[in-house]
Parts: sequence; C-alpha cells; structure tokens
Amino acid sequence: QKEVEQDPGPLSVPEGAIVSLNCTYSNSAFQYFMWYRQYSRKGPELLMYTYSSGNKEDGRFTAQVDKSSKYISLFIRDSQPSDSATYLCAMRISNTDKLIFGTGTRLQVFP
Amino acid sequence: ETGVTQTPRHLVMGMTNKKSLKCEQHLGHNAMYWYKQSAKKPLELMFVYNFKEQTENNSVPSRFSPECPNSSHLFLHLHTLQPEDSALYLCASSQGRNLDYEQYFGPGTRLTVT
Repeated sequence: QKEVEQDPGPLSVPEGAIVSLNCTYSNSAFQYFMWYRQYSRKGPELLMYTYSSGNKEDGRFTAQVDKSSKYISLFIRDSQPSDSATYLCAMRISNTDKLIFGTGTRLQVFP
Repeated sequence: ETGVTQTPRHLVMGMTNKKSLKCEQHLGHNAMYWYKQSAKKPLELMFVYNFKEQTENNSVPSRFSPECPNSSHLFLHLHTLQPEDSALYLCASSQGRNLDYEQYFGPGTRLTVT
C-alpha cells in the first residue's frame, strides 16, 4: 500500500467551478501537510502548508486536514484557467524534512 | 522564477554515456536536494546536502553520483544509466533542514535514456 494515495485525474472543470482535490494517507505519524502546484515545464511551488486538523484559507484556496480519517483536501473556489496545473499533496512526520508526495492530480479549467 | 536554476533542461543520453546535471541556487540557502519525478509516480527524494555535507542517500543506485562543491551548486553525475532512469530530475533548496523552511524547486531536467 502506498503511503500517500492521490487520484491522478485528469480533472476537467469549467471556469468558476469549485474544485476539490484529495489525498489519503496511511501513516498516522504524518503531522505536516502541504499542497504544491506544478505548472507544465516547471518545478513544484508550495501553495498551502498546514499542521493541525481543520481548515486553513488563503484567498481562493482552502486546505483541510482530517487526521482521524487520514484525509486531506484542497478546495479551489472560483477556479480560473490559470489554475490549470498538477497539484501534489505532500506530508512529513515530526523531526524530519523528508517529504512524502502523492502522485499528483492534473487539473484543467476550461473557459 | 524561484531562484533555483537547472541545466540542461533536456538531455538525451545513451546507456554507455556519462553526463552531469547542474543545479544552482541564488537564494543563499544551505540545504540542497535531488528528486526524481517519473510519470504516474510520486516525487522521490534521492539525495540531501546540508552545508555541503551529504546527509541523506535514499537507497539510490551508484550509477547516480551527487556532488556539492559549495552551498550554491549541486551536481548529479550520471553513468551507465538504464531506460527506466528516464524521468524529470528536480533540484530544490531550502534555508536549512529546519522543519519550517520551504523547499524551492528548480524547473527540472528532462532526462531520456535510450
């Protein structure tokens, strides 16, 4: 079983839609959770970083962590064509900077 | 741009060739990382350097040989690679190995082994 599971997509939505991206994980020791965005021909860039269970909001983006279910989500409100990219979840345990990534979900937002 | 550059951006090499990938960061960071990104697979951490010292080798085959001459430069020397080594190789840097330091990624080198 993979440590982190993420649906590869592609997920195709119209502009303005609410997008939900998800990851599940098996290691209950994971404490830090991240979402990265990767545009074509670019490296990943950090989008959201959360530590505890609950929600964290940044503009149109909301990261949600449910440690009891070992499930994390990224919501994108009012999606734009410029949001078209691959979204990677990543997580790590305490006392290490070693990131464990999901495979990434490819998102396409069409006008 | 993130402040992390990688050259070349694309590389095609035969299995008997020797080549090197270069990474340079202009952010004053002390930690540098090599990752491998294969299609439909998660990013895999390969090597970590902190203050020029290798602090992690994630069971990478010896045909991949990293070198970190200073905190700003990181190389990945390649020899006798296999076709399954074809992937996007990403370099990243961070201020240090502290938990709160973000890793900044370069654009990657797309490697094809024929």
